[in-house]
Amino acid sequence: GAVVSQHPSRVICKSGTSVKIECRSLDFQATTMFWYRQFPKKSLMLMATSNEGSKATYEQGVEKDKFLINHASLTLSTLTVTSAHPEDSSFYICSASSQGLGVTGNTIYFGEGSWLTVV
Amino acid sequence: QKEVEQNSGPLSVPEGAIASLNCTYSDRGSQSFFWYRQYSGKSPELIMFIYSNGDKEDGRFTAQLNKASQYVSLLIRDSQPSDSATYLCAVNTRVNDYKLSFGAGTTVTVRA
Repeated sequence: GAVVSQHPSRVICKSGTSVKIECRSLDFQATTMFWYRQFPKKSLMLMATSNEGSKATYEQGVEKDKFLINHASLTLSTLTVTSAHPEDSSFYICSASSQGLGVTGNTIYFGEGSWLTVV
Repeated sequence: QKEVEQNSGPLSVPEGAIASLNCTYSDRGSQSFFWYRQYSGKSPELIMFIYSNGDKEDGRFTAQLNKASQYVSLLIRDSQPSDSATYLCAVNTRVNDYKLSFGAGTTVTVRA
């Protein structure tokens, strides 16, 4: 099936620095990608919708200046956590839609996730 | 009311038994329904998706959708210890919008 790759899988950064997470669709073009955050034992919370060639759409309560999203091509979206703080430590997951798969619509696949620890 | 609701569990079943997971959703216009499996510390893995009322079978998994009652279920037959995970129900409300609303997940433990 379709594959979405995320990098890095784990990253530790110092408080106040920025860290970039990449999400790539490996064998299909994804006009739309999504970024989620998941705290331990909690469900996935959608942060933003990344649209190729246009600005991302952020969910309520998510700071767009803190979580910068760039979707420069049909196979790559990046999430940059700026001025990271320990409370930003979480599991960040991207997903991409593979249009046309399935009988009547699309199928959505997830990347492997990125564990961010801010110390 | 939450958009997507699941029993949090944990659901404990003996090896070889059937595990039954339920999910209800609030938006009657929802179009697509997904079941994901998530192991601890890992990303969700797609198990099945279903669009039409009725049953859809794939190996040991059967998804059932009832749009009139606004619920979707997942049956796991011949449960194996490797099925022990959290199962996430996700709903897509619009055909051309791939945004998913997730339930909180049901934790399943299969006892050997």
